[in-house]
Amino acid sequence: TQLLEQSPQFLSIQEGENLTVYCNSSSVFSSLQWYRQEPGEGPVLLVTVVTGGEVKKLKRLTFQFGDARKDSSLHITAAQPGDTGLYLCAGDRDDKIIFGKGTRLHILP
Amino acid sequence: DADVTQTPRNRITKTGKRIMLECSQTKGHDRMYWYRQDPGLGLRLIYYSFDVKDINKGEISDGYSVSRQAQAKFSLSLESAIPNQTALYFCATGVEVTDTQYFGPGTRLTVL
Repeated sequence: TQLLEQSPQFLSIQEGENLTVYCNSSSVFSSLQWYRQEPGEGPVLLVTVVTGGEVKKLKRLTFQFGDARKDSSLHITAAQPGDTGLYLCAGDRDDKIIFGKGTRLHILP
Repeated sequence: DADVTQTPRNRITKTGKRIMLECSQTKGHDRMYWYRQDPGLGLRLIYYSFDVKDINKGEISDGYSVSRQAQAKFSLSLESAIPNQTALYFCATGVEVTDTQYFGPGTRLTVL
């Protein structure tokens, strides 16, 4: 059973479009993290959300933690080719980080 | 210089061979982790260590062992490599679970 389900698995859109990717669970997490991974590199943290309902913005990226702390979303406004990569969500459970399988995003110029 | 380094970056080996992957960090973090990444399966935790005398099994520890030689060094061993251990292996460090996990660049291991 996958504790963190990410959707969609793959997304390919044109530059300038908006998109949202999701990270869902039936379990409560004390925090959720979003990472981006580029080919040949390790994941790099984008943001950590801790409080239910919390919204954090990182330039064109908006992250939201669900009120019940079971899910999170990442919204990208006016996507650019540099946003291309694998987006991973990760949750803190039993003192360990558990990762979802990721959303592979491809922005077409 | 990178804060978390992994050696080797790429390794091809044969079934039954013993392999050691090494990880070093200059971040001064107490916590270190080993993950493997497979297409379609995401990142899965193999072992983790919260300090030099602490070793804990992760989700998929069978077939692997680790050694925390010092705060800055955490090595992963495959005593007798098998083809389904072919994967991308990442080392990571962290201060607390909810803080940033800092990943190394990865080791691509192929077992023939």
